[in-house]
Amino acid sequence: KQEVTQIPAALSVPEGENLVLNCSFTDSAIYNLQWFRQDPGKGLTSLLLIQSSQREQTSGRLNASLDKSSGRSTLYIAASQPGDSATYLCAASDSNYQLIWGAGTKLIIKP
Amino acid sequence: DAMVIQNPRYQVTQFGKPVTLSCSQTLNHNVMYWYQQKSSQAPKLLFHYYDKDFNNEADTPDNFQSRRPNTSFCFLDIRSPGLGDAAMYLCATSPGHSYNEQFFGPGTRLTVL
Repeated sequence: KQEVTQIPAALSVPEGENLVLNCSFTDSAIYNLQWFRQDPGKGLTSLLLIQSSQREQTSGRLNASLDKSSGRSTLYIAASQPGDSATYLCAASDSNYQLIWGAGTKLIIKP
Repeated sequence: DAMVIQNPRYQVTQFGKPVTLSCSQTLNHNVMYWYQQKSSQAPKLLFHYYDKDFNNEADTPDNFQSRRPNTSFCFLDIRSPGLGDAAMYLCATSPGHSYNEQFFGPGTRLTVL
């Protein structure tokens, strides 16, 4: 049974720093891995999706990587800003198009 | 813009009073999902439809029902809401093929009094 873990549960960094959020999964047989952002009391915004055949995807200041052999994905945020403060969730897609979720990392960027 | 729309954004109901949440999409996606998300937790899948094929998660309470009358609309019915059903309800869609990115609506926050 697939399990997805995100560590740490919370992270606080000063504005301007580059940072990495971690996501690990137990079963490498995934279709893709998706990173989401969630602001308090809001829905989920899809940030990046990495297909199982890909190693990384980039969008603006965000870069997501995928290493299936080690069961890891990372989300790299460059030059962090206070507006990046949110909870970031990763989710692995199985062959039934269902997402297995991590519990999220709550990110706070201090001005 | 193509999107996933949920109505209402906030719903207050009384204990035991049925409530219906709605979701519509302009993405023409095959798959629609309903999730329940409680505070500081990951979303929990309740059901999903692949076209008209309904798929119920094994641990979804019988109190929750869903309807998908056409490709664009999907409804979540809570027949007798309890205090434990207070949560954010999220609707999502996906194309239903290998590049299966899920797109979420803004959610409906349900309060049960």
